[in-house]
Amino acid sequence: KNQVEQSPQSLIILEGKNCTLQCNYTVSPFSNLRWYKQDTGRGPVSLTIMTFSENTKSNGRYTATLDADTKQSSLHITASQLSDSASYICVVSANSNYQLIWGAGTKLIIKP
Amino acid sequence: DTAVSQTPKYLVTQMGNDKSIKCEQNLGHDTMYWYKQDSKKFLKIMFSYNNKELIINETVPNRFSPKSPDKAHLNLHINSLELGDSAVYFCASSQVKGGGDTQYFGPGTRLTVL
Repeated sequence: KNQVEQSPQSLIILEGKNCTLQCNYTVSPFSNLRWYKQDTGRGPVSLTIMTFSENTKSNGRYTATLDADTKQSSLHITASQLSDSASYICVVSANSNYQLIWGAGTKLIIKP
Repeated sequence: DTAVSQTPKYLVTQMGNDKSIKCEQNLGHDTMYWYKQDSKKFLKIMFSYNNKELIINETVPNRFSPKSPDKAHLNLHINSLELGDSAVYFCASSQVKGGGDTQYFGPGTRLTVL
């Protein structure tokens, strides 16, 4: 069964600190993996997208990694800011259909 | 300019009523989607249209009926609303169909059924 699991479920860190969010998937055959940021009361916004051959991709202070062998991805946030408080959702696409498999997200809270 | 817009933003209604949510995108995209996000925060695809043609229709009650008058609009009509329909409904669009393209989301419509 195609699944995407994220950890931790929630995370609280102090402003300026770094953090790493995890995503494990069992989607097959794999097409690509995205990280979305969803602010409270808003729709998700794409941060990064990686295909099978890409190991890492950065978007400002956000760096995503992908290990297609172990089917794991991480999102690293550097020098966190208050505006980083949001849910971060890992989404995996399978080759075989048009659908995206969404994780439940990690709720990140940045405290001053 | 808003890329993907939805109306209304909030909708509170009684059980048994019929309601519609409208979605418009001005990105020139060919594909539009409806998602439901429940209290556990999972986003679940409901429908997808490509150039006004239905391409994804997940296991959704027949009470939910999407309508795409043109490729820039995808409306969602819900008949005989039930308590379990309470959720946030997101519209999204992408340039092409399939998982290879980034989806752009609207702000969501929070539906509360009393």
